[in-house]
Amino acid sequence: DIVMTQSPDSLAVSLGERATINCKSSQSVLYRSNNKNYLSWYQHKPGQPPKLLIYWASTRESGVPDRFSGSGSGTDFTLTISSLQAEDVAVYYCQQHYSIPFTFGRGTKVDVK
Amino acid sequence: EVQLVQSGGGVVQPGGSLRLSCRASGFTFADYAMHWVRQAPGKDLEWVCLVSGDGAHTYYADSVKGRFTISRDDSKNSLFLQMTSLRGEDTAFYYCAKDRVAAGTDTGTFASWGQGTLVTVSS
Repeated sequence: DIVMTQSPDSLAVSLGERATINCKSSQSVLYRSNNKNYLSWYQHKPGQPPKLLIYWASTRESGVPDRFSGSGSGTDFTLTISSLQAEDVAVYYCQQHYSIPFTFGRGTKVDVK
Repeated sequence: EVQLVQSGGGVVQPGGSLRLSCRASGFTFADYAMHWVRQAPGKDLEWVCLVSGDGAHTYYADSVKGRFTISRDDSKNSLFLQMTSLRGEDTAFYYCAKDRVAAGTDTGTFASWGQGTLVTVSS
């Protein structure tokens, strides 16, 4: 199974400041045939289902604010919130769908400082 | 608008069985692979299983293989999870989820989710 390791476990950022979350996979999730990284990011707020933010490591899902961006390739990935808003307080998960079983990171809790 | 409305769940004794349902609307259900994902209280998200759009292929996490069965009824736009031999570690919120793309090789990105239903395994 591919193990997804996120860091940090939690972070607190002032409103309007940048938040950066890292995710590392135990093996590459880059699919060579189409040069796509099979890596997604989700936002999870209490009492709600998770919400897809980013897929293919860097493609923003429709309707997701452009302050959310994803980067990285192979085994190392980053989710950046460029200017934290109060509504961004949540737990963020990376997830690989390169191979079954699909696996998630342990989550990063983002709070306002 | 895509909607996934879940039903079922509740409290069940260890060794018992339970069936979860997920009714879909707002998209051509038969075109999409569907999944179940769970989250135990205070724990990580865990992918549980998937069924292909044509229903011909199913895949399971090792933790539930042989005990859980995923199925679909395209005539009713519905997804099911039959859970048997339930254990305490199966206690979790269970979510149904829809693939982002229809009938392709890019399965496993969860674009839409049900509201979640709590399954508690306890005596």
